[in-house]
Amino acid sequence: RKEVEQDPGPFNVPEGATVAFNCTYSNSASQSFFWYRQDCRKEPKLLMSVYSSGNEDGRFTAQLNRASQYISLLIRDSKLSDSATYLCVVNAGGTGGFKTIFGAGTRLFVKA
Amino acid sequence: NAGVMQNPRHLVRRRGQEARLRCSPMKGHSHVYWYRQLPEEGLKFMVYLQKENIIDESGMPKERFSAEFPKEGPSILRIQQVVRGDSAAYFCASSPKGQGLSGELFFGEGSRLTVL
Repeated sequence: RKEVEQDPGPFNVPEGATVAFNCTYSNSASQSFFWYRQDCRKEPKLLMSVYSSGNEDGRFTAQLNRASQYISLLIRDSKLSDSATYLCVVNAGGTGGFKTIFGAGTRLFVKA
Repeated sequence: NAGVMQNPRHLVRRRGQEARLRCSPMKGHSHVYWYRQLPEEGLKFMVYLQKENIIDESGMPKERFSAEFPKEGPSILRIQQVVRGDSAAYFCASSPKGQGLSGELFFGEGSRLTVL
């Protein structure tokens, strides 16, 4: 089983749609959780952290369920500029401290 | 530019040659991480370094790959006797402190290695 698993995608949605990304992680000792965004042939950039209480940033909402080891990202009213690959990221225990593990990513295409 | 600087951005090598990729972390950051991304795949952790120390190299292939982060100068990822399967984007990231609860990594633009 992969340490961090995401929906394989790609997701093709029209502008204005709501889209949800799912992610599960295997290490129950994982401490912190993030969503990153990666544009084609660019570096990953932090989109938002994910907290147990859930958090929202404009059109983006992130949720964490520690019992189920599940993380989600919801994008409302999607825009063309949201087209990118979304990476689920987990800080897990590793040699010498924590190790940041990236999921394979889910690609999103938003079409006019 | 105060961001993470990687060079070269693109590198072409023939099989059997050596590749050296360099990474200068953001100012004030003392922790460096190297990730590899194969085409159409996710980022794979390779190594985590602090100045003069390798903290976690559990993602490094056992042969041909090495990394360092000297007291002075950039971090270097070195690949000896490259093979076609080494063709990938190599991303460097830095953080001001060890990977922990705060978690954000700041990435460079990557070095794209092509092995002919």
